[in-house]
Amino acid sequence: QKEVEQDPGPLSVPEGAIVSLNCTYSNSAFQYFMWYRQYSRKGPELLMYTYSSGNKEDGRFTAQVDKSSKYISLFIRDSQPSDSATYLCAMRYSGNTPLVFGKGTRLSVIA
Amino acid sequence: GAVVSQHPSWVICKSGTSVKIECRSLDFQATTMFWYRQFPKQSLMLMATSNEGSKATYEQGVEKDKFLINHASLTLSTLTVTSAHPEDSSFYICSSTVDQTSNQPQHFGDGTRLSIL
Repeated sequence: QKEVEQDPGPLSVPEGAIVSLNCTYSNSAFQYFMWYRQYSRKGPELLMYTYSSGNKEDGRFTAQVDKSSKYISLFIRDSQPSDSATYLCAMRYSGNTPLVFGKGTRLSVIA
Repeated sequence: GAVVSQHPSWVICKSGTSVKIECRSLDFQATTMFWYRQFPKQSLMLMATSNEGSKATYEQGVEKDKFLINHASLTLSTLTVTSAHPEDSSFYICSSTVDQTSNQPQHFGDGTRLSIL
């Protein structure tokens, strides 16, 4: 079993839809959870960063962490064509440790 | 926000050439820099962790003699792919955290696309 599981998609939605992206993980020692957006041939851009169970909202984005179920989600409201990208979940242990990534989900938002 | 600058963005060279990739932290001191590799349609895989002033720590399966990492200053880390071959063609990305002492998220450079002919 991989440490972090993420459905690679692709996921295609109409403009304005609510998008739900998810990751599961196996190691309960992960403490910090991130969502990155990556456009083609670019480095990952940090979208959300959380470290406790619950919800965190930033504009159209909501990150949700459920440590008891080892499950994290990213919701995108009112999706736009510019949201079309690959979304990577990532997590790490405490301290300045490297990230462990999911495979990434390719999202296309169709106008 | 924190900026990590990576250069060059794209390299095409002949087999056997050595290629140096630079990663700079522009507005913070990066004690630790992480180097990742990403193949098409795959996720990022950690190659090595470099710490300023000391030897890099390589992940299992990564040849340290082939992928030379130098982290001589708090704002610059370099990855040199020595005697590159077509199988080394990939997207190489560096990342660091703003504050090494607290649990801050990592910020990434824009990546270097390496194509070996």
